[in-house]
Amino acid sequence: EAQVTQNPRYLITVTGKKLTVTCSQNMNHEYMSWYRQDPGLGLRQIYYSMNVEVTDKGDVPEGYKVSRKEKRNFPLILESPSPNQTSLYFCASKSGETQYFGPGTRLLVL
Amino acid sequence: QKEVEQNSGPLSVPEGAIASLNCTYSDRVSQSFFWYRQYSGKSPELIMSIYSNGDKEDGRFTAQLNKASQYVSLLIRDSQPSDSATYLCAVPYSGGYNKLIFGAGTRLAVHP
Repeated sequence: EAQVTQNPRYLITVTGKKLTVTCSQNMNHEYMSWYRQDPGLGLRQIYYSMNVEVTDKGDVPEGYKVSRKEKRNFPLILESPSPNQTSLYFCASKSGETQYFGPGTRLLVL
Repeated sequence: QKEVEQNSGPLSVPEGAIASLNCTYSDRVSQSFFWYRQYSGKSPELIMSIYSNGDKEDGRFTAQLNKASQYVSLLIRDSQPSDSATYLCAVPYSGGYNKLIFGAGTRLAVHP
């Protein structure tokens, strides 16, 4: 089944404790992206990647890092999480005009 | 700052009625526009795209675009309770596909 997977789906952590949210797609898409979704603000793009080793900032990249060492994987790294990064995170991959979203990761930073 | 604006709702319509969802955008050079549907607790899914002025129909859904007014809308005919969801308008940043700017979404509630 063609899909985008994210892990973990739910995560509670404390301020300053590094964490990684993994994202993987099995559709051989070159483009992948990370978004965060907050009430009243909608989806905001954090980072995107056009291909392996090619990444670029979206609208809200501060406090996040990404890497794209393989086409299928695009992890999101929070080196020192803060409470304002509490949010719902979506990974997506794109083919043509269509973005395929993962199931989301709900993160709570205490 | 490029912006996409939507009324947050909720928009409540009776079953069988036409639901009209609106979106305005600030980037005059935008060439493509997308509507995503997001059920509660789920991820967004693309339901419509439109590139030219006028209407585009797909089943019960019609997207309408007016570039002069910087306005795009989504009409849902014969609304069903299963259409109850949040509808997100998305516009690529500066006309490209690499960065998508999403509106905050309009929550639609279709009641029997």
